[in-house]
Amino acid sequence: SQELEQSPQSLIVQEGKNLTINCTSSKTLYGLYWYKQKYGEGLIFLMMLQKGGEEKSHEKITAKLDEKKQQSSLHITASQPSHAGIYLCGAARSNDYKLSFGAGTTVTVRA
Amino acid sequence: KAGVTQTPRYLIKTRGQQVTLSCSPISGHRSVSWYQQTPGQGLQFLFEYFSETQRNKGNFPGRFSGRQFSNSRSEMNVSTLELGDSALYLCASSLTGRKEKLFFGSGTQLSVL
Repeated sequence: SQELEQSPQSLIVQEGKNLTINCTSSKTLYGLYWYKQKYGEGLIFLMMLQKGGEEKSHEKITAKLDEKKQQSSLHITASQPSHAGIYLCGAARSNDYKLSFGAGTTVTVRA
Repeated sequence: KAGVTQTPRYLIKTRGQQVTLSCSPISGHRSVSWYQQTPGQGLQFLFEYFSETQRNKGNFPGRFSGRQFSNSRSEMNVSTLELGDSALYLCASSLTGRKEKLFFGSGTQLSVL
């Protein structure tokens, strides 16, 4: 089973509407990363959260980390076509030099 | 600053052949890691190198190997290719490899026929 569970697997949102993606870890989190990917391309870094309760925002994207629940959420406000893509969460463990990734959430924004 | 560069972008091979993929990290980055991405398994960690030493390895067979050179450039090799090796192979670099963001290349799309 996946160490990181992302939900939903995919979603379609009307342009201008908000959306939320969740990422839950089955193991202790020492860092949570959000990336965006266009199909068949590389990953673009969005945000890194390292402390429980931490919340970061960039433009219309906000990410939060709930350390107790081992969970993070990514919220997009007033979605635009440029927000379409695959969103992946990645987790760091204490002694690893790697990230484990969730399966991804495919976001479609309809005009 | 140039980003992470992966070559080639696309590759078509047949079963039984071997392949070498190349990755040039961002200047100054000493950690290079490799990931395999497939529709069925998602993004999976292959291995990570720092200063020419492999520090961590994922659960892949020995047919998958890699190395890092003194200039931090890295190569990964897959021998005796199987159909299931068809995937997008992504390389990522960072300064130290721990608790910091990874910068990803555009990937090499490998198709095994």
